[in-house]
Amino acid sequence: DAGVTQSPTHLIKTRGQQVTLRCSPKSGHDTVSWYQQALGQGPQFIFQYYEEEERQRGNFPDRFSGHQFPNYSSELNVNALLLGDSALYLCASSLGPGRHTEAFFGQGTRLTVV
Amino acid sequence: KQEVTQIPAALSVPEGENLVLNCSFTDSAIYNLQWFRQDPGKGLTSLLLIQSSQREQTSGRLNASLDKSSGRSTLYIAASQPGDSATYLCAGFSGGYNKLIFGAGTRLAVHP
Repeated sequence: DAGVTQSPTHLIKTRGQQVTLRCSPKSGHDTVSWYQQALGQGPQFIFQYYEEEERQRGNFPDRFSGHQFPNYSSELNVNALLLGDSALYLCASSLGPGRHTEAFFGQGTRLTVV
Repeated sequence: KQEVTQIPAALSVPEGENLVLNCSFTDSAIYNLQWFRQDPGKGLTSLLLIQSSQREQTSGRLNASLDKSSGRSTLYIAASQPGDSATYLCAGFSGGYNKLIFGAGTRLAVHP
């Protein structure tokens, strides 16, 4: 049973560029959430996708957008990259929104903006 | 606004000690609480989930408790080992959706 998988594992981009990160949820899970973790801090919620719609959003600008596909996988897009966007981006999957079940995380994508 | 504080921020202990890591929420309206382990540069590994109807959970040498009246949770690690060295994060589910609010973590170093 594959867990949550994220790609790529590492990425280096230049300021102003755009980036797409990908996530496949754990088998049987239908909800994907994205988090940003700066060095030395806890993860911060970006947004959550369920039934191919954004269901909840954290305090992040519109430069951060996402998508969920019919197979429940998800993408996180960040436009006009800033140096401050450098962080570990984590994807979590769970069963249904509003269900307080266990969240499972992937290994993350380390994004470096230069 | 829900905020999570973890104490201590860092801990260095000799092998074999029993440890207590603390987590507190500003708003005690927590539905569930989850403890995670994070190795340097890696993702999060779920350790324990305490659901809203429960007060504690145990897995091997780990025991986590939740006092909803005070908004506090404790992770107890028995007989610590060097392999336990990592950052431990607590997170609470907030609101109607699976939105986790995280603390900044406790960095644990267990030396032989």
